[in-house]
Amino acid sequence: LAKTTQPISMDSYEGQEVNITCSHNNIATNDYITWYQQFPSQGPRFIIQGYKTKVTNEVASLFIPADRKSSTLSLPRVSLSDTAVYYCLVGAGYKLSFGAGTTVTVRA
Amino acid sequence: DTAVSQTPKYLVTQMGNDKSIKCEQNLGHDTMYWYKQDSKKFLKIMFSYNNKELIINETVPNRFSPKSPDKAHLNLHINSLELGDSAVYFCASSSGTSNYLGTGELFFGEGSRLTVL
Repeated sequence: LAKTTQPISMDSYEGQEVNITCSHNNIATNDYITWYQQFPSQGPRFIIQGYKTKVTNEVASLFIPADRKSSTLSLPRVSLSDTAVYYCLVGAGYKLSFGAGTTVTVRA
Repeated sequence: DTAVSQTPKYLVTQMGNDKSIKCEQNLGHDTMYWYKQDSKKFLKIMFSYNNKELIINETVPNRFSPKSPDKAHLNLHINSLELGDSAVYFCASSSGTSNYLGTGELFFGEGSRLTVL
């Protein structure tokens, strides 16, 4: 499985854009890049998934460069309720484990 | 309706005891999982079942035995509990076949916090 590296924590303020970069140098051809969000005392929740270039949904954008060795999750105009742990996953099939994630704290 | 539900939400027990955690999903998915989240927030896959068949067992001690009576249920039984088993256990489900190469969205339950004293 491709190993992922992401910052342990990030601080932001309401209304700002938050960008979290994940490194995955040994990503395989079949691997997808997926991001999950986890609030305290809850299970992770799917945010976005991509294979290459850019993906956007109503919650976030995912930027993937041509070499796919990294990816950036972009959260536009965050609010206090976006305070959570964000996990980057790289893989395919059923065998997916999460790293330690990035704790994003949004302040007023 | 809760998509993936686990019971109990909290479990406090003594070392050496045997305990079970139940999981049910009403999403019609073929694949279910058990994950363990430690105090450092790492979520590690333990087991994966597809159509009631075990497809992933990630070097989990034999004291952990998953059982899938049908596609909608995946229970986790733990024998001879140890202090290191204290963690939050998450059940999840996804759609896909046993030869699945893509990656489908995982739907997680709320977690079951196990504390071994």
